Amino acid sequence: DGGITQSPKYLFRKEGQNVTLSCEQNLNHDAMYWYRQDPGQGLRLIYYSQIVNDFQKGDIAEGYSVSREKKESFPLTVTSAQKNPTAFYLCASSIGSGGYNEQFFGPGTRLTVL
Amino acid sequence: KQEVTQIPAALSVPEGENLVLNCSFTDSAIYNLQWFRQDPGKGLTSLLLIQSSQREQTSGRLNASLDKSSGRSTLYIAASQPGDSATYLCATLAGDKLVFGAGTILRVKS
Repeated sequence: DGGITQSPKYLFRKEGQNVTLSCEQNLNHDAMYWYRQDPGQGLRLIYYSQIVNDFQKGDIAEGYSVSREKKESFPLTVTSAQKNPTAFYLCASSIGSGGYNEQFFGPGTRLTVL
Repeated sequence: KQEVTQIPAALSVPEGENLVLNCSFTDSAIYNLQWFRQDPGKGLTSLLLIQSSQREQTSGRLNASLDKSSGRSTLYIAASQPGDSATYLCATLAGDKLVFGAGTILRVKS
Protein backbone atom coordinates (compact mmCIF):
# COMPACT_ATOMS: atom_id res chain seq x y z
CA ASP A 1 0.00 0.00 0.00
CA GLY A 2 1.93 3.01 -1.29
CA GLY A 3 1.86 6.38 0.36
CA ILE A 4 3.46 9.00 2.57
CA THR A 5 3.61 8.60 6.33
CA GLN A 6 4.40 11.28 8.89
CA SER A 7 5.09 10.78 12.54
CA PRO A 8 4.20 11.65 15.14
CA LYS A 9 0.68 12.98 14.51
CA TYR A 10 0.97 15.36 17.47
CA LEU A 11 4.20 16.73 18.96
CA PHE A 12 4.76 18.97 21.93
CA ARG A 13 7.97 20.90 22.41
CA LYS A 14 9.32 22.93 25.26
CA GLU A 15 10.98 26.25 24.62
CA GLY A 16 14.62 25.80 23.57
CA GLN A 17 14.28 22.19 22.40
CA ASN A 18 15.01 20.81 18.97
CA VAL A 19 12.49 18.31 17.61
CA THR A 20 12.53 16.13 14.51
CA LEU A 21 9.50 15.33 12.38
CA SER A 22 9.59 12.15 10.34
CA CYS A 23 8.46 11.77 6.72
CA GLU A 24 8.70 8.48 4.83
CA GLN A 25 7.42 7.57 1.36
CA ASN A 26 7.31 4.25 -0.48
CA LEU A 27 6.22 5.71 -3.81
CA ASN A 28 9.77 5.67 -5.22
CA HIS A 29 9.52 9.44 -5.70
CA ASP A 30 12.69 11.46 -6.24
CA ALA A 31 11.41 14.79 -4.92
CA MET A 32 10.24 15.53 -1.38
CA TYR A 33 8.98 18.71 0.27
CA TRP A 34 8.20 20.19 3.67
CA TYR A 35 5.47 22.79 4.14
CA ARG A 36 4.17 24.73 7.09
CA GLN A 37 0.48 25.66 7.45
CA ASP A 38 -0.79 28.29 9.87
CA PRO A 39 -4.51 28.87 10.58
CA GLY A 40 -6.28 30.66 7.75
CA GLN A 41 -3.20 30.62 5.55
CA GLY A 42 -2.01 28.59 2.64
CA LEU A 43 0.97 26.28 2.82
CA ARG A 44 4.46 27.78 2.77
CA LEU A 45 7.51 25.87 1.55
CA ILE A 46 10.25 25.25 4.12
CA TYR A 47 12.71 22.95 2.31
CA TYR A 48 12.67 20.66 -0.68
CA SER A 49 14.88 17.93 -2.09
CA GLN A 50 15.02 16.86 -5.71
CA ILE A 51 17.45 13.98 -5.18
CA VAL A 52 19.22 12.09 -2.43
CA ASN A 53 21.96 14.05 -0.63
CA ASP A 54 20.73 17.36 -2.04
CA PHE A 55 18.18 19.88 -0.76
CA GLN A 56 17.26 23.55 -1.21
CA LYS A 57 15.78 26.21 1.03
CA GLY A 58 12.21 27.24 0.45
CA ASP A 59 10.60 30.52 1.41
CA ILE A 60 10.77 30.12 5.20
CA ALA A 61 13.84 27.95 5.94
CA GLU A 62 15.16 29.94 8.89
CA GLY A 63 15.11 27.90 12.11
CA TYR A 64 14.68 24.58 10.28
CA SER A 65 17.08 21.93 8.98
CA VAL A 66 16.68 18.79 6.86
CA SER A 67 18.62 15.81 5.59
CA ARG A 68 18.09 13.46 2.66
CA GLU A 69 20.31 10.44 3.20
CA LYS A 70 17.81 7.97 1.75
CA LYS A 71 15.39 8.33 -1.13
CA GLU A 72 12.39 7.37 0.98
CA SER A 73 13.11 9.59 3.99
CA PHE A 74 13.19 13.38 4.47
CA PRO A 75 13.20 14.32 8.18
CA LEU A 76 12.67 17.91 9.30
CA THR A 77 14.28 19.32 12.45
CA VAL A 78 12.68 22.33 14.07
CA THR A 79 15.46 24.05 15.98
CA SER A 80 15.31 26.37 18.95
CA ALA A 81 16.12 29.21 16.53
CA GLN A 82 12.61 28.97 15.05
CA LYS A 83 10.76 31.76 16.87
CA ASN A 84 7.20 30.61 16.31
CA PRO A 85 7.18 26.88 15.54
CA THR A 86 3.59 26.09 16.54
CA ALA A 87 1.95 25.04 13.27
CA PHE A 88 0.76 22.12 11.15
CA TYR A 89 3.61 20.56 9.14
CA LEU A 90 2.98 18.73 5.89
CA CYS A 91 5.35 16.56 3.90
CA ALA A 92 4.85 15.88 0.19
CA SER A 93 6.56 14.00 -2.61
CA SER A 94 6.47 13.87 -6.39
CA ILE A 95 8.05 11.66 -9.06
CA GLY A 96 10.27 14.54 -10.13
CA SER A 97 10.36 18.27 -9.65
CA GLY A 98 9.40 19.31 -13.16
CA GLY A 99 6.19 20.93 -14.29
CA TYR A 100 4.23 17.77 -15.01
CA ASN A 101 4.68 16.24 -11.61
CA GLU A 102 1.80 16.06 -9.18
CA GLN A 103 2.59 16.41 -5.48
CA PHE A 104 1.12 13.93 -2.99
CA PHE A 105 0.79 14.82 0.67
CA GLY A 106 1.14 13.01 3.97
CA PRO A 107 -1.35 13.32 6.86
CA GLY A 108 0.63 16.01 8.70
CA THR A 109 2.17 16.60 12.13
CA ARG A 110 0.77 19.21 14.49
CA LEU A 111 3.57 20.79 16.54
CA THR A 112 2.75 22.78 19.66
CA VAL A 113 5.27 24.69 21.73
CA LEU A 114 4.48 24.66 25.44
CA LYS B 1 6.88 36.72 -6.92
CA GLN B 2 3.80 34.58 -7.50
CA GLU B 3 0.76 35.37 -5.36
CA VAL B 4 -2.33 33.18 -5.29
CA THR B 5 -5.68 34.46 -4.03
CA GLN B 6 -8.85 32.48 -3.38
CA ILE B 7 -12.31 33.99 -3.21
CA PRO B 8 -14.50 33.58 -1.26
CA ALA B 9 -12.69 32.73 1.97
CA ALA B 10 -15.74 30.83 3.16
CA LEU B 11 -18.94 29.62 1.54
CA SER B 12 -22.08 28.00 2.92
CA VAL B 13 -24.60 26.44 0.54
CA PRO B 14 -27.61 24.12 0.79
CA GLU B 15 -27.24 20.55 -0.39
CA GLY B 16 -27.76 20.04 -4.11
CA GLU B 17 -26.58 23.47 -5.19
CA ASN B 18 -23.97 23.91 -7.92
CA LEU B 19 -21.09 26.14 -6.85
CA VAL B 20 -17.91 27.78 -8.11
CA LEU B 21 -14.70 28.42 -6.22
CA ASN B 22 -12.29 30.99 -7.59
CA CYS B 23 -8.51 31.11 -7.72
CA SER B 24 -6.42 33.92 -9.18
CA PHE B 25 -2.66 34.20 -9.63
CA THR B 26 -0.38 37.08 -10.52
CA ASP B 27 2.26 35.40 -12.72
CA SER B 28 0.92 33.53 -15.74
CA ALA B 29 4.24 31.68 -16.30
CA ILE B 30 3.07 28.52 -14.55
CA TYR B 31 3.65 24.86 -15.34
CA ASN B 32 0.39 23.66 -13.87
CA LEU B 33 -2.35 24.42 -11.37
CA GLN B 34 -3.63 21.96 -8.78
CA TRP B 35 -6.79 21.91 -6.73
CA PHE B 36 -6.65 20.17 -3.37
CA ARG B 37 -9.15 19.23 -0.68
CA GLN B 38 -8.24 19.37 3.02
CA ASP B 39 -10.41 17.98 5.80
CA PRO B 40 -9.91 19.43 9.31
CA GLY B 41 -6.61 18.33 10.83
CA LYS B 42 -5.72 16.23 7.79
CA GLY B 43 -3.31 16.33 4.89
CA LEU B 44 -4.14 17.44 1.37
CA THR B 45 -5.86 15.28 -1.22
CA SER B 46 -5.22 16.17 -4.84
CA LEU B 47 -8.46 16.68 -6.76
CA LEU B 48 -7.44 17.91 -10.19
CA LEU B 49 -4.25 18.97 -11.93
CA ILE B 50 -4.40 21.17 -15.02
CA GLN B 51 -1.26 21.46 -17.12
CA SER B 52 -0.45 24.91 -18.52
CA SER B 53 -1.37 23.75 -22.03
CA GLN B 54 -4.81 22.55 -20.93
CA ARG B 55 -8.03 24.50 -20.43
CA GLU B 56 -9.89 22.19 -18.09
CA GLN B 57 -10.00 18.89 -16.26
CA THR B 58 -12.96 16.89 -15.01
CA SER B 59 -13.35 14.25 -12.36
CA GLY B 60 -16.84 13.10 -11.44
CA ARG B 61 -18.82 16.10 -10.16
CA LEU B 62 -15.74 18.34 -10.25
CA ASN B 63 -14.60 20.48 -13.15
CA ALA B 64 -11.60 22.79 -13.03
CA SER B 65 -10.79 25.38 -15.67
CA LEU B 66 -7.65 27.37 -16.31
CA ASP B 67 -7.26 30.71 -18.09
CA LYS B 68 -3.57 31.57 -17.96
CA SER B 69 -3.93 34.86 -19.82
CA SER B 70 -6.26 36.26 -17.16
CA GLY B 71 -4.55 34.48 -14.27
CA ARG B 72 -7.66 32.62 -13.17
CA SER B 73 -8.87 29.14 -12.38
CA THR B 74 -12.28 27.98 -11.21
CA LEU B 75 -13.38 24.80 -9.50
CA TYR B 76 -16.99 23.90 -10.28
CA ILE B 77 -18.74 21.44 -7.98
CA ALA B 78 -22.03 20.05 -9.27
CA ALA B 79 -24.88 18.90 -7.05
CA SER B 80 -23.03 19.58 -3.81
CA GLN B 81 -23.31 17.11 -0.91
CA PRO B 82 -22.60 17.44 2.83
CA GLY B 83 -19.55 15.22 2.30
CA ASP B 84 -18.07 17.95 0.11
CA SER B 85 -17.63 20.13 3.20
CA ALA B 86 -13.90 20.84 3.51
CA THR B 87 -11.28 23.46 2.71
CA TYR B 88 -10.37 23.71 -0.96
CA LEU B 89 -6.89 24.97 -1.87
CA CYS B 90 -5.47 25.89 -5.23
CA ALA B 91 -1.75 26.01 -5.99
CA THR B 92 0.34 26.98 -8.98
CA LEU B 93 3.63 25.38 -9.94
CA ALA B 94 6.26 27.80 -11.19
CA GLY B 95 9.87 26.65 -11.26
CA ASP B 96 10.33 24.04 -8.55
CA LYS B 97 7.79 25.41 -6.11
CA LEU B 98 4.07 25.15 -5.50
CA VAL B 99 2.55 28.45 -4.34
CA PHE B 100 -0.71 28.04 -2.44
CA GLY B 101 -3.73 30.20 -1.90
CA ALA B 102 -5.21 30.49 1.61
CA GLY B 103 -8.16 28.28 0.69
CA THR B 104 -11.95 28.44 0.61
CA ILE B 105 -13.80 26.82 3.51
CA LEU B 106 -16.91 25.15 2.10
CA ARG B 107 -19.87 24.04 4.16
CA VAL B 108 -22.71 22.16 2.49
CA LYS B 109 -25.82 22.08 4.65
CA SER B 110 -28.17 19.10 4.58
